[in-house]
Amino acid sequence: DAGVIQSPRHEVTEMGQEVTLRCKPISGHNSLFWYRQTMMRGLELLIYFNNNVPIDDSGMPEDRFSAKMPNASFSTLKIQPSEPRDSAVYFCASSLTGLAEQFFGPGTRLTVL
Amino acid sequence: EDQVTQSPEALRLQEGESSSLNCSYTVSGLRGLFWYRQDPGKGPEFLFTLYSAGEEKEKERLKATLTKKESFLHITAPKPEDSATYLCAVQSNAGKSTFGDGTTLTVKP
Repeated sequence: DAGVIQSPRHEVTEMGQEVTLRCKPISGHNSLFWYRQTMMRGLELLIYFNNNVPIDDSGMPEDRFSAKMPNASFSTLKIQPSEPRDSAVYFCASSLTGLAEQFFGPGTRLTVL
Repeated sequence: EDQVTQSPEALRLQEGESSSLNCSYTVSGLRGLFWYRQDPGKGPEFLFTLYSAGEEKEKERLKATLTKKESFLHITAPKPEDSATYLCAVQSNAGKSTFGDGTTLTVKP
């Protein structure tokens, strides 16, 4: 298996632009997680899905952030409009069930100028 | 609110010098405690899961233990390739994961 796939790996955009991050989980995994990692705040859970349904989005910082999982093999995290404080590495992870260990993707490094 | 505190923030060891990393936690119903390793520029990589107090897991030079309030990651005779950031995470009965800030380990040859 190729593992969790994220795209793009790097994104540089200007404040106010829309940003869409993409994730393909490991085939057969039923849970998907979006995290944000910064030096100041560490690794923060933004939202997670079980069987394509959002279970807990309490970590989503603002209404500017939204996430979707239209099917078992694809998820998106959208930021609109983006702000410089959104600059971070965004990780997607998947697990076999919501209770199992998580497998992380390589991350998307987002820079908002 | 679930909380995870890891100590020390950074640890420098000589090759072969054993030590332990600490993870203290408070959680509303522990479903599991996880240890991950993160190398620079990469995503965290799973190491261990512990479910109940008294449980221990081992893998090569690493051994993880769990009590009702904390977990330890013991590193025996470390090598330079063990240098990384080690993350501890707890998962609550509600399924939510909370990560600590990590311990950055540097092993000098």
